[in-house]
Amino acid sequence: SQTIHQWPATLVQPVGSPLSLECTVEGTSNPNLYWYRQAAGRGLQLLFYSVGIGQISSEVPQNLSASRPQDRQFILSSKKLLLSDSGFYLCAWSVSWRNTEAFFGQGTRLTVV
Amino acid sequence: AQSVTQLDSHVSVSEGTPVLLRCNYSSSYSPSLFWYVQHPNKGLQLLLKYTSAATLVKGINGFEAEFKKSETSFHLTKPSAHMSDAAEYFCVVSDAGNMLTFGGGTRLMVKP
Repeated sequence: SQTIHQWPATLVQPVGSPLSLECTVEGTSNPNLYWYRQAAGRGLQLLFYSVGIGQISSEVPQNLSASRPQDRQFILSSKKLLLSDSGFYLCAWSVSWRNTEAFFGQGTRLTVV
Repeated sequence: AQSVTQLDSHVSVSEGTPVLLRCNYSSSYSPSLFWYVQHPNKGLQLLLKYTSAATLVKGINGFEAEFKKSETSFHLTKPSAHMSDAAEYFCVVSDAGNMLTFGGGTRLMVKP
């Protein structure tokens, strides 16, 4: 069966520090991968998605970036965190591009102080 | 373009009473529709999905939803609420060649 791992679960970082959140999927090949952010009291915002190694699409301009160094690994990064980067970050994967559900990791609660 | 509107940001019910969470969508194609549940500080769990088969879809934990094309709705229901149902619920649409689009979420509160 397929599983998705996301870590760390919680993170407190000072403003201006770098960020690296990692997500890996097991039990499937060539998944579509996604990073979402959920700010307090708000819905989900798609940040990045990837349909293959090295293929990253950004949905919103910001100081975050994403990389996919391996087929089932998706990394969210920042060189310098802002206070506004605080939120709940969710990684997800799906089998194919069209009309299919996504499966979510357990999320990372990021607090920038 | 596709969009999803969850008509209630908060719904409060008493334990043992029915649950209705409303969702309307807009899509240019024949969409797939999903309901997800999120408990505090957890990821999203798929409750049920509609993918152009039967219009009444049964999901986990006693939830079901009915796809009504004429009303562009996909409301989530449960006959009898349980305390463990208290969570945030998201209606999601996916159409041809597009990403998942999430509604704003509905927070369900269950009173004892």
